[in-house]
Amino acid sequence: AQKITQTQPGMFVQEKEAVTLDCTYDTSDQSYGLFWYKQPSSGEMIFLIYQGSYDEQNATEGRYSLNFQKARKSANLVISASQLGDSAMYFCAMREGRGGGADGLTFGKGTHLIIQP
Amino acid sequence: DSGVTQTPKHLITATGQRVTLRCSPRSGDLSVYWYQQSLDQGLQFLIQYYNGEERAKGNILERFSAQQFPDLHSELNLSSLELGDSALYFCASSVGYSEQFFGPGTRLTVL
Repeated sequence: AQKITQTQPGMFVQEKEAVTLDCTYDTSDQSYGLFWYKQPSSGEMIFLIYQGSYDEQNATEGRYSLNFQKARKSANLVISASQLGDSAMYFCAMREGRGGGADGLTFGKGTHLIIQP
Repeated sequence: DSGVTQTPKHLITATGQRVTLRCSPRSGDLSVYWYQQSLDQGLQFLIQYYNGEERAKGNILERFSAQQFPDLHSELNLSSLELGDSALYFCASSVGYSEQFFGPGTRLTVL
């Protein structure tokens, strides 16, 4: 079974609209972390936001927020007031509690977001 | 700019050859991670080092190896290269659990 599932291969959104990118995860660990990254066409991986499994509040970073629903094992990224520069691939990733400080990330397949003017 | 540097930016080589990719983590970061991004496999975790010691292994092939040096820079060695090893190789670094900052990547093309 996939550990990270992103069900939207591609999305078209009108500029200035809010966007929700879906991510569900699968783990039996109690301690884990969830990450979102942006990969523009230039190829670099840009860290956007992090949510720890024990964090009670949803994480926010500027226009990015993470809608964390632990019981549903979902960690959706919300981008408010989308801009043309938000067009990119977006990856959801998970760090599981392997212990001993081992925390390589498992990534989903990504969502290709295109913002239209 | 994440503060993580990788060299070279591009690498073109032939099957059967060996290459070395280099990564310098952000100042103060003790953990270094290597990831591979290919069209077939997506983004995969290869290996993690922490302060010079191997900490975790992911889907790293036996033909691949890595090390982290006392100055904390890391090298990923890829040998007996095959066409399927063509990919974007990322290095990331972190100081804690809540972030991993990625370098710009090395694009490897095996002909």
